[in-house]
Amino acid sequence: EVQLVESGGGLVKPGGSLRLSCVASGFTFNSYTMHWVRQAPGKGLEWVSSISSSSNYIHYRDSVKGRFTISRDNAKNSLYLQMNSLRVDDTAVYSCARTHASGTSDYWGLGTLVTVSS
Amino acid sequence: DIRMAQFPSTLSASVGDRVTITCRASQNIVRWLAWFQQKPGQAPKLLIFDASSLESGVPSRFSGSASETEFTLTISSLQPDDFATYFCHQYYDYPWTFGLGTKVEVK
Repeated sequence: EVQLVESGGGLVKPGGSLRLSCVASGFTFNSYTMHWVRQAPGKGLEWVSSISSSSNYIHYRDSVKGRFTISRDNAKNSLYLQMNSLRVDDTAVYSCARTHASGTSDYWGLGTLVTVSS
Repeated sequence: DIRMAQFPSTLSASVGDRVTITCRASQNIVRWLAWFQQKPGQAPKLLIFDASSLESGVPSRFSGSASETEFTLTISSLQPDDFATYFCHQYYDYPWTFGLGTKVEVK
């Protein structure tokens, strides 16, 4: 059974940092591009970043470029999101997702809540 | 960014009803469109990919269609388990973008 479990969320002040983790199980992690997607309270889904299976290709949405860094450790079946210079509008539930063969995503985790507030 | 206009935002229906949800892309995304179902406290579930391909294990009452930049999810006969929120997702280009969702509720 495919499972994605996120952790690392919490309350942080504006300008602070957090590192999110996503541990994968039930599939060959090192064969899949992975993604971070977020949803702010009462708002729609927003893609954040993607990383290819070998970390060769990385993409970020413009609003997080230079502040967030996506990475992975295939030996640990883990995906990460280092978030620096956090802003109030980064407040959201952050979920990791696996790429489906078609290019969309198929499996998602339940997410971890990041709250940026003074 | 490609904008995905999804409508309606809420839909009231009864078991057995035929339900249609639409997403309109702001530009050509070919057929790179997926539909997801999400229930409270659960992760999204992939229903349809490539606009009209049914994901494995998804009941055949779900179907997708496309006409240029307009995409439709149809539930042919709504079942009790189908009351949920549905959203579309384009993966034609980064940044991926999503519709705001359609909540299907009991009439």
